[in-house]
Amino acid sequence: QQQVKQSPQSLIVQKGGISIINCAYENTAFDYFPWYQQFPGKGPALLIAIRPDVSEKKEGRFTISFNKSAKQFSLHIMDSQPGDSATYFCAAIDGSARQLTFGSGTQLTVLP
Amino acid sequence: AAGVIQSPRHLIKEKRETATLKCYPISRHDTVYWYQQGPGQDPQFLISFYEKMQSDKGSIPDRFSAQQFSDYHSELNMSSLELGDSALYFCASSLDGRFGYTFGSGTRLTVV
Repeated sequence: QQQVKQSPQSLIVQKGGISIINCAYENTAFDYFPWYQQFPGKGPALLIAIRPDVSEKKEGRFTISFNKSAKQFSLHIMDSQPGDSATYFCAAIDGSARQLTFGSGTQLTVLP
Repeated sequence: AAGVIQSPRHLIKEKRETATLKCYPISRHDTVYWYQQGPGQDPQFLISFYEKMQSDKGSIPDRFSAQQFSDYHSELNMSSLELGDSALYFCASSLDGRFGYTFGSGTRLTVV
């Protein structure tokens, strides 16, 4: 059973558009929520992360929105660029157990 | 600052052979994780170490073993290799397992 559910599986966006990827979790022990960007053949790279006591975090064109009561969080990529085309994984960390759980990934394609 | 270093980057082995993958974590990171990623899959957790002791175990086959050494580097030993073991193997490190894990560039293992 996937502990972190991610959608959509794939996403196609026009250049300049907004890309939105959603994740949901059940385990209330999760206390840190990072997003990773992965290019083919490369390791996942930490993009942005949020703690559950914060509702939104913005870094450049990337924003995480976090809804603790709904146990949902999302990544918004503003002004999407072809260079953003990659696979994005949401993740959840249980710090006390030192465990990171990945979502199933979203393959983003930004059309020029 | 140097990131997580993995070696080798690529490895080709025959069925039933043995492979050893190495991981050098970021300086002062005390927790190391190993993940396996098949094509189009999210990374699957194999095993982790905290302060040189096994911390958690995921879907690691009995044919695989790992350890963390006194200098905090880790090695994943894989024996009796099968075709299905062909995948990208990532190592990640973190400080106390509480924040964003940093991943290495991975080792691509091909079993022929």
